[in-house]
Amino acid sequence: DAKTTQPTSMDCAEGRAANLPCNHSTISGNEYVYWYRQIHSQGPQYIIHGLKNNETNEMASLIITEDRKSSTLILPHATLRDTAVYYCIVTGGSQGNLIFGKGTKLSVKP
Amino acid sequence: SQTIHQWPATLVQPVGSPLSLECTVEGTSNPNLYWYRQAAGRGLQLLFYSVGIGQISSEVPQNLSASRPQDRQFILSSKKLLLSDSGFYLCAWRDLYEQYFGPGTRLTVT
Repeated sequence: DAKTTQPTSMDCAEGRAANLPCNHSTISGNEYVYWYRQIHSQGPQYIIHGLKNNETNEMASLIITEDRKSSTLILPHATLRDTAVYYCIVTGGSQGNLIFGKGTKLSVKP
Repeated sequence: SQTIHQWPATLVQPVGSPLSLECTVEGTSNPNLYWYRQAAGRGLQLLFYSVGIGQISSEVPQNLSASRPQDRQFILSSKKLLLSDSGFYLCAWRDLYEQYFGPGTRLTVT
């Protein structure tokens, strides 16, 4: 599976959009970009995934660059409950295992 | 709907004692099942995964083992625990694209 690079930590003001970047320059053509988050002392929670098109669901939006070498997870209106570690993972869709890196610790502040 | 159960929630065991953690899934059949471990302050490490009854793949060689005696049951075991086995153990199952995690077992080896 391809490796990802994420900032160690980020801060965001409550009510603002949180934009979490991820670099995955070695991604191959059949690999998906997944985002999970882990709130303290809980199991990770699936957020969103995409292949090459931008995706949106009730939790977030995923913007993937045209060359697919990077992506951004957008939480449109961050709340205090969005404080968590966010993991960007690249894997081969339904056949790939999820290999978690260190993620980005997002702190949403009032 | 699908549900994943893990028990116990917390466990304190002495070094050298055996371990058995159980995970069961409801509401799905023939799921891919996973065991992860998260040491204090670190990321999730994939330990084992299983694509069917009796089929176990190990990602990291260590003194732990896994078994899948039934379609929706996944067991993590050790004959003799080490201090380094302390951590947060998470079971997960996967449908086509999303992976769902259980509530976890926090193991402290003393």
